Amino acid sequence: QVHLQESGPGRVKPSETLSLTCTVSGGSISSYFWTWIRQPAGKGLEWIGRIYASGATDYSPSLKSRVTMSVDTSKNQFSLKLSSVTAADTAVYYCAREGLTDHFDSWGQGTLVSVS
Amino acid sequence: DTVMTQSPDSLAVSLGERATINCKSSQSVLFISNNKNYLAWFQQKPGQPPKLLIYWASTRESGVPDRFSGSGSGTDFTLTISSLQAEDVAVYFCQQYYDTPRTFGQGTKVEIK
Repeated sequence: QVHLQESGPGRVKPSETLSLTCTVSGGSISSYFWTWIRQPAGKGLEWIGRIYASGATDYSPSLKSRVTMSVDTSKNQFSLKLSSVTAADTAVYYCAREGLTDHFDSWGQGTLVSVS
Repeated sequence: DTVMTQSPDSLAVSLGERATINCKSSQSVLFISNNKNYLAWFQQKPGQPPKLLIYWASTRESGVPDRFSGSGSGTDFTLTISSLQAEDVAVYFCQQYYDTPRTFGQGTKVEIK
């Protein structure tokens, strides 16, 4: 059973860069898409983007100018950087795996990032 | 982007009664070549990540009780809880994985009447 765990600062100052890492255990990071999703308090889910083990990426058009994702297969980790953050970026950030049949079959517990 | 719209936003159902949630996509999520609908349903309880219930619109994830069922095709989908239990109180989301960006419905909150 694959396990995902987000890590990173819980608070980021406005205009700075949010950086999060997701560590994958119990399975290989190869052969899957790895995704970041966020959820502001009391609101819905927003797909930020995904990265394949090869490093290929897809980003949400609404965030594309500020998002960078990377993967480190040697550490079984993938990362998210979101630049020029504002209060609107305050949310719980989840990492998730897109399984071999394309749906999100494994999720991290989520980490709250506050911009202030 | 494919817009996903759920209805209702919330509903209250008596224990043991049926709960029905609808989800409509702004474009078809049916992939003709394999005849599969790229539509999933998730359940989210407070303080927890979403939990996958249904994928391919109607395939139940392993371990999900059979009171949960999904139906529909193309642009219109339904999640049915046949006999609501107390532990089913949650927010339910539909999500399309037909194209990127992946998109979610706004969520439907299910409560006990």
